[in-house]
Amino acid sequence: EAGVVQSPRYKIIEKKQPVAFWCNPISGHNTLYWYLQNLGQGPELLIRYENEEAVDDSQLPKDRFSAERLKGVDSTLKIQPAELGDSAVYLCASSRGTSSGYNEQFFGPGTRLTVL
Amino acid sequence: DQQVKQNSPSLSVQEGRISILNCDYTNSMFDYFLWYKKYPAEGPTFLISISSIKDKNEDGRFTVFLNKSAKHLSLHIVPSQPGDSAVYFCAASGDTDKLIFGTGTRLQVFP
Repeated sequence: EAGVVQSPRYKIIEKKQPVAFWCNPISGHNTLYWYLQNLGQGPELLIRYENEEAVDDSQLPKDRFSAERLKGVDSTLKIQPAELGDSAVYLCASSRGTSSGYNEQFFGPGTRLTVL
Repeated sequence: DQQVKQNSPSLSVQEGRISILNCDYTNSMFDYFLWYKKYPAEGPTFLISISSIKDKNEDGRFTVFLNKSAKHLSLHIVPSQPGDSAVYFCAASGDTDKLIFGTGTRLQVFP
């Protein structure tokens, strides 16, 4: 079974430029998560999708961040415009999300963003 | 406010000895706790978990202990191996799938 796929793995941009990250979850996984991981910190949830619906986007800075999961499969996270403080690793995770309580989350390798 | 805390940023242990990683939490509504392991340039991978109705869960060399009254959990690795060298994250979950992670502890196992 293929794992969570993310691209690109690394991205370097200048501040004020736009950037987009792509994630393809494990086949059959209904729930998709985007996390932000700053250096020396644990991952922090940005947004969670149940199929194509964003069910928790309370931590997403909506002035510059946007996300979509149009067909309930792969997802894109966008930042426009990027700021220096956005330099971090952006992790995507997925889970089956079919049972109550906790559903194990599987993480992709992440995209390391550097904003100059 | 950090709801899940890992106060030791690093730990160094000799191969064959026990590694003990600690985690404290503040939210009494958390009912599921997990440990994730992360190698450089990879995403976190699930290691072991424990429900709040238990106080111990064991999987091979890995054992997680939960002390609800102290809001404390720990991960024991016995015996430690060089391949265990990684960053370990403690995470907690309440009535949703939302995970709250600690800041991680870097474990180094030396020969």
